[in-house]
Amino acid sequence: KAGVTQTPRYLIKTRGQQVTLSCSPISGHRSVSWYQQTPGQGLQFLFEYFSETQRNKGNFPGRFSGRQFSNSRSEMNVSTLELGDSALYLCASSLERGARGFTSVKGSYNEQFFGPGTRLTVL
Amino acid sequence: SQQGEEDPQALSIQEGENATMNCSYKTSINNLQWYRQNSGRGLVHLILIRSNEREKHSGRLRVTLDTSKKSSSLLITASRAADTASYFCATLGAASGGSYIPTFGRGTSLIVHP
Repeated sequence: KAGVTQTPRYLIKTRGQQVTLSCSPISGHRSVSWYQQTPGQGLQFLFEYFSETQRNKGNFPGRFSGRQFSNSRSEMNVSTLELGDSALYLCASSLERGARGFTSVKGSYNEQFFGPGTRLTVL
Repeated sequence: SQQGEEDPQALSIQEGENATMNCSYKTSINNLQWYRQNSGRGLVHLILIRSNEREKHSGRLRVTLDTSKKSSSLLITASRAADTASYFCATLGAASGGSYIPTFGRGTSLIVHP
């Protein structure tokens, strides 16, 4: 099976612009989660989508949003970019919908498979 | 705030030596995982240990879990230059809305010198 793919791999934007990142999950995976990784804050959970609905959300402002399509592909959008949004954005897919952390709603471990990330630089 | 905190932040060793990394967490957990990340790339799942397990092995990896101390350790034996990467522990943490979200520590950067 092909792994998780993310496009684009690198992106440069200026403050105030908006950006859309794309993620294609592993075939058959229905859940897509997004993470932001920065040197200062580390790896932080943004949100999870399952069956085209946002199921869980981390502690990020409303400028960060996402959506999921019927084929499970997902996009995330950041509006009004700030310098601090420069980061590696990682997408992860899993078979089931998450519940508590990495546990699925069925109570089993819901392993996440990560893509290579999109490196966003905001100037 | 970060749920897991790894210690040390950075570790530099020679090939063939063992590398030990520690992780502490705050909430009750169902399981704890360790991931590896090669420079600026995606994470790769290494090993999972469940809350009712105390030790687990996978190849050259050994993970221990002490739920009473809310800590875990990852031991890489007979390290190789290819083990050079950042290592993260991951478990669950609380989001502002009261839900539980996947939460990663800040990671230990391991450099293995040939």
